[in-house]
Amino acid sequence: DTGVSQNPRHKITKRGQNVTFRCDPISEHNRLYWYRQTLGQGPEFLTYFQNEAQLEKSRLLSDRFSAERPKGSFSTLEIQRTEQGDSAMYLCASTFLLGGGEKLFFGSGTQLSVL
Amino acid sequence: GQNIDQPTEMTATEGAIVQINCTYQTSGFNGLFWYQQHAGEAPTFLSYNVLDGLEEKGRFSSFLSRSKGYSYLLLKELQMKDSASYLCAVVHNTNAGKSTFGDGTTLTVKP
Repeated sequence: DTGVSQNPRHKITKRGQNVTFRCDPISEHNRLYWYRQTLGQGPEFLTYFQNEAQLEKSRLLSDRFSAERPKGSFSTLEIQRTEQGDSAMYLCASTFLLGGGEKLFFGSGTQLSVL
Repeated sequence: GQNIDQPTEMTATEGAIVQINCTYQTSGFNGLFWYQQHAGEAPTFLSYNVLDGLEEKGRFSSFLSRSKGYSYLLLKELQMKDSASYLCAVVHNTNAGKSTFGDGTTLTVKP
Protein backbone atom coordinates (compact mmCIF):
# COMPACT_ATOMS: atom_id res chain seq x y z
CA ASP A 1 0.00 0.00 0.00
CA THR A 2 1.61 3.23 -1.16
CA GLY A 3 -0.84 5.63 0.46
CA VAL A 4 -2.85 8.37 -1.21
CA SER A 5 -1.20 9.69 -4.36
CA GLN A 6 -1.89 13.04 -6.03
CA ASN A 7 -0.69 14.34 -9.37
CA PRO A 8 0.71 16.73 -10.29
CA ARG A 9 2.46 18.04 -7.17
CA HIS A 10 2.61 21.54 -8.62
CA LYS A 11 0.63 23.27 -11.34
CA ILE A 12 1.19 26.77 -12.67
CA THR A 13 -1.42 28.07 -15.06
CA LYS A 14 -2.64 31.30 -16.56
CA ARG A 15 -5.93 32.82 -15.58
CA GLY A 16 -8.75 31.47 -17.71
CA GLN A 17 -7.16 28.10 -18.40
CA ASN A 18 -8.63 24.77 -17.30
CA VAL A 19 -6.74 22.45 -14.98
CA THR A 20 -7.32 18.87 -13.85
CA PHE A 21 -5.87 17.11 -10.83
CA ARG A 22 -5.84 13.41 -10.09
CA CYS A 23 -6.08 11.51 -6.81
CA ASP A 24 -5.44 7.80 -6.32
CA PRO A 25 -6.74 6.77 -2.89
CA ILE A 26 -5.74 3.77 -0.82
CA SER A 27 -7.21 0.87 -2.76
CA GLU A 28 -9.67 -0.52 -0.20
CA HIS A 29 -11.00 2.88 0.85
CA ASN A 30 -14.56 3.60 -0.22
CA ARG A 31 -14.70 7.28 0.71
CA LEU A 32 -12.71 9.98 -1.03
CA TYR A 33 -12.63 13.66 -0.10
CA TRP A 34 -11.32 16.82 -1.73
CA TYR A 35 -10.18 19.79 0.33
CA ARG A 36 -8.66 23.18 -0.41
CA GLN A 37 -6.04 24.71 1.84
CA THR A 38 -4.51 28.18 1.68
CA LEU A 39 -1.45 29.33 3.57
CA GLY A 40 -2.04 29.68 7.27
CA GLN A 41 -5.43 28.05 7.20
CA GLY A 42 -6.81 24.60 7.77
CA PRO A 43 -8.23 22.43 4.99
CA GLU A 44 -11.72 23.35 3.78
CA PHE A 45 -14.06 20.59 2.68
CA LEU A 46 -15.03 20.74 -1.02
CA THR A 47 -16.74 17.48 -1.92
CA TYR A 48 -16.76 13.76 -1.23
CA PHE A 49 -17.53 10.43 -2.86
CA GLN A 50 -18.66 7.12 -1.51
CA ASN A 51 -17.54 4.62 -4.10
CA GLU A 52 -18.43 6.31 -7.42
CA ALA A 53 -21.28 8.45 -6.07
CA GLN A 54 -20.65 12.11 -5.32
CA LEU A 55 -22.70 12.60 -2.18
CA GLU A 56 -22.09 16.22 -1.26
CA LYS A 57 -20.58 19.42 -2.56
CA SER A 58 -19.67 22.39 -0.41
CA ARG A 59 -21.22 25.77 -1.12
CA LEU A 60 -17.62 26.88 -1.62
CA LEU A 61 -17.51 24.86 -4.82
CA SER A 62 -18.57 27.08 -7.69
CA ASP A 63 -19.92 25.79 -10.99
CA ARG A 64 -16.40 26.03 -12.41
CA PHE A 65 -15.38 23.08 -10.25
CA SER A 66 -16.30 19.52 -11.08
CA ALA A 67 -15.15 16.23 -9.61
CA GLU A 68 -15.54 12.66 -10.74
CA ARG A 69 -14.75 9.21 -9.46
CA PRO A 70 -15.87 7.12 -12.43
CA LYS A 71 -15.08 3.61 -11.24
CA GLY A 72 -14.98 4.19 -7.53
CA SER A 73 -11.20 4.20 -7.57
CA PHE A 74 -9.24 7.30 -8.64
CA SER A 75 -10.83 10.73 -8.73
CA THR A 76 -10.27 13.88 -10.76
CA LEU A 77 -10.96 17.49 -9.83
CA GLU A 78 -11.30 19.93 -12.71
CA ILE A 79 -11.32 23.70 -12.45
CA GLN A 80 -12.53 25.56 -15.52
CA ARG A 81 -11.65 29.16 -16.35
CA THR A 82 -9.26 29.43 -13.44
CA GLU A 83 -9.10 32.63 -11.40
CA GLN A 84 -6.30 33.96 -9.22
CA GLY A 85 -8.43 33.21 -6.17
CA ASP A 86 -8.25 29.52 -7.03
CA SER A 87 -4.57 29.47 -6.08
CA ALA A 88 -4.29 27.04 -3.20
CA MET A 89 -3.20 23.56 -2.18
CA TYR A 90 -5.78 20.97 -3.22
CA LEU A 91 -5.73 17.97 -0.91
CA CYS A 92 -7.30 14.59 -1.42
CA ALA A 93 -8.01 12.20 1.44
CA SER A 94 -9.51 8.75 1.70
CA THR A 95 -10.92 6.49 4.37
CA PHE A 96 -12.96 3.33 4.82
CA LEU A 97 -16.40 4.04 6.21
CA LEU A 98 -17.07 2.28 9.50
CA GLY A 99 -19.71 4.54 11.03
CA GLY A 100 -17.77 7.34 12.62
CA GLY A 101 -14.36 8.42 13.75
CA GLU A 102 -12.49 7.12 10.75
CA LYS A 103 -9.15 8.84 10.39
CA LEU A 104 -8.37 10.42 7.07
CA PHE A 105 -5.33 9.52 5.00
CA PHE A 106 -4.22 12.55 3.03
CA GLY A 107 -2.25 12.84 -0.15
CA SER A 108 0.58 15.35 -0.45
CA GLY A 109 -1.62 17.69 -2.42
CA THR A 110 -1.45 19.62 -5.66
CA GLN A 111 -0.23 23.19 -5.29
CA LEU A 112 -2.02 25.37 -7.84
CA SER A 113 -0.73 28.80 -8.80
CA VAL A 114 -2.88 30.89 -11.12
CA LEU A 115 -0.99 33.78 -12.71
CA GLY B 1 -22.25 27.63 12.41
CA GLN B 2 -18.88 26.19 13.28
CA ASN B 3 -16.09 28.05 15.06
CA ILE B 4 -12.75 26.54 16.02
CA ASP B 5 -10.00 28.49 17.73
CA GLN B 6 -6.35 27.55 18.12
CA PRO B 7 -3.33 29.74 18.86
CA THR B 8 -1.58 30.71 15.66
CA GLU B 9 1.97 30.11 16.79
CA MET B 10 3.85 28.55 19.70
CA THR B 11 7.53 28.12 20.48
CA ALA B 12 9.08 25.58 22.82
CA THR B 13 12.47 24.13 23.66
CA GLU B 14 13.74 20.70 22.71
CA GLY B 15 13.03 18.22 25.51
CA ALA B 16 10.25 20.32 27.02
CA ILE B 17 6.48 19.79 27.18
CA VAL B 18 4.00 21.89 25.22
CA GLN B 19 0.21 22.03 25.30
CA ILE B 20 -1.75 23.19 22.26
CA ASN B 21 -5.32 24.19 22.99
CA CYS B 22 -8.38 24.05 20.78
CA THR B 23 -11.79 25.47 21.62
CA TYR B 24 -14.84 24.93 19.49
CA GLN B 25 -18.45 25.92 19.09
CA THR B 26 -20.31 23.67 16.71
CA SER B 27 -23.77 22.45 15.83
CA GLY B 28 -23.47 18.73 16.39
CA PHE B 29 -20.42 16.96 17.76
CA ASN B 30 -19.18 13.47 17.03
CA GLY B 31 -15.54 13.61 17.95
CA LEU B 32 -12.38 15.63 17.51
CA PHE B 33 -9.22 14.85 15.57
CA TRP B 34 -5.70 16.18 15.83
CA TYR B 35 -3.50 16.08 12.74
CA GLN B 36 0.14 17.04 12.26
CA GLN B 37 1.22 18.80 9.09
CA HIS B 38 4.82 19.55 8.20
CA ALA B 39 5.36 22.42 5.79
CA GLY B 40 4.50 21.40 2.23
CA GLU B 41 3.33 17.95 3.28
CA ALA B 42 0.04 16.15 3.90
CA PRO B 43 -1.68 16.22 7.28
CA THR B 44 -1.16 12.96 9.21
CA PHE B 45 -3.40 11.55 11.93
CA LEU B 46 -2.34 11.94 15.54
CA SER B 47 -5.39 11.26 17.69
CA TYR B 48 -9.16 11.01 17.91
CA ASN B 49 -11.30 11.77 20.97
CA VAL B 50 -15.03 11.20 21.17
CA LEU B 51 -15.44 10.73 24.94
CA ASP B 52 -14.28 13.06 27.68
CA GLY B 53 -10.85 12.38 29.07
CA LEU B 54 -7.26 11.84 28.14
CA GLU B 55 -6.00 9.57 25.37
CA GLU B 56 -2.29 8.81 25.60
CA LYS B 57 -0.19 7.58 22.72
CA GLY B 58 3.54 7.62 23.31
CA ARG B 59 4.87 11.18 23.54
CA PHE B 60 1.53 12.60 22.41
CA SER B 61 -1.67 12.83 24.46
CA SER B 62 -5.00 14.43 23.65
CA PHE B 63 -7.70 15.58 26.04
CA LEU B 64 -11.36 16.37 25.44
CA SER B 65 -14.05 18.10 27.49
CA ARG B 66 -17.30 18.11 25.55
CA SER B 67 -19.16 20.23 28.08
CA LYS B 68 -16.53 22.96 27.78
CA GLY B 69 -15.99 22.64 24.03
CA TYR B 70 -12.29 22.23 24.69
CA SER B 71 -9.46 19.95 23.69
CA TYR B 72 -5.72 20.03 23.98
CA LEU B 73 -2.81 18.18 22.47
CA LEU B 74 0.11 17.54 24.81
CA LEU B 75 3.52 16.87 23.37
CA LYS B 76 6.23 15.59 25.71
CA GLU B 77 10.00 15.30 25.29
CA LEU B 78 9.89 17.63 22.33
CA GLN B 79 12.13 16.88 19.40
CA MET B 80 13.19 19.15 16.56
CA LYS B 81 11.13 17.06 14.15
CA ASP B 82 7.98 18.03 16.09
CA SER B 83 8.19 21.49 14.48
CA ALA B 84 5.03 21.50 12.37
CA SER B 85 1.48 22.78 12.21
CA TYR B 86 -1.04 21.02 14.44
CA LEU B 87 -4.63 20.98 13.20
CA CYS B 88 -7.68 20.47 15.35
CA ALA B 89 -10.71 19.13 13.45
CA VAL B 90 -14.25 18.70 14.75
CA VAL B 91 -16.55 16.01 13.40
CA HIS B 92 -20.16 17.18 13.26
CA ASN B 93 -21.92 13.97 12.39
CA THR B 94 -21.01 10.44 11.44
CA ASN B 95 -19.06 11.64 8.41
CA ALA B 96 -15.56 12.03 9.77
CA GLY B 97 -14.31 13.41 6.50
CA LYS B 98 -16.60 16.39 6.66
CA SER B 99 -14.81 17.73 9.66
CA THR B 100 -14.29 21.44 10.19
CA PHE B 101 -10.62 22.19 10.63
CA GLY B 102 -9.08 24.93 12.71
CA ASP B 103 -6.43 27.08 11.09
CA GLY B 104 -3.67 25.16 12.85
CA THR B 105 -1.02 26.03 15.40
CA THR B 106 2.51 26.36 14.06
CA LEU B 107 4.90 24.93 16.63
CA THR B 108 8.57 25.78 16.47
CA VAL B 109 10.93 23.68 18.55
CA LYS B 110 14.24 25.36 19.35
CA PRO B 111 17.45 23.69 20.54
